[in-house]
Amino acid sequence: SQQGEEDPQALSIQEGENATMNCSYKTSINNLQWYRQNSGRGLVHLILIRSNEREKHSGRLRVTLDTSKKSSSLLITASRAADTASYFCATGRRGGSEKLVFGKGTKLTVNP
Amino acid sequence: NAGVTQTPKFQVLKTGQSMTLQCAQDMNHNSMYWYRQDPGMGLRLIYYSASEGTTDKGEVPNGYNVSRLNKREFSLRLESAAPSQTSVYFCASSEIRGRIDNEKLFFGSGTQLSVL
Repeated sequence: SQQGEEDPQALSIQEGENATMNCSYKTSINNLQWYRQNSGRGLVHLILIRSNEREKHSGRLRVTLDTSKKSSSLLITASRAADTASYFCATGRRGGSEKLVFGKGTKLTVNP
Repeated sequence: NAGVTQTPKFQVLKTGQSMTLQCAQDMNHNSMYWYRQDPGMGLRLIYYSASEGTTDKGEVPNGYNVSRLNKREFSLRLESAAPSQTSVYFCASSEIRGRIDNEKLFFGSGTQLSVL
């Protein structure tokens, strides 16, 4: 069963705009990860945020985590056409089996 | 670095045929995984191998078998392919020094499988 659910399912923006994607999950987690998938390719790890962290940055990426709301957001600032991809959150359940569970993803299109 | 290499990239099978998807990683990772990706379903774990010599079922193991041949290689076998197994299959690996969710996964580029 899916642990994380991304929202929105699809997002279309203009180059230079910011893109925000959200991930909600159901059970307590240790960490949450975000991955990117370009069309026809495998997933690439972007960032990992731990349950005791509230915000993390990596280049133009900003990830927040609100464990009280069981949600995370991924912000891509000053988007580029090359950011066009699907973005997935992945979680491992606290106290649960040792597996990483992926959401269904947000498909981001950045128009030049 | 090649990373995680999957073969073949594309495959068409008839119902009932068998085939093996190959995966190899050159990062000396301990753990390896097979996922399938279906439209609107995200990625679902089929089988994983936490270390050489061990394999465990994931979320959707029925109809599949796996072999962890050595530390580098992890193969996925479909003994009697069914149309429901039409999907994109991804192999991944991770170093895993502790919990899986503490580690990032490295993915191969996928195998697109169609079962007619």
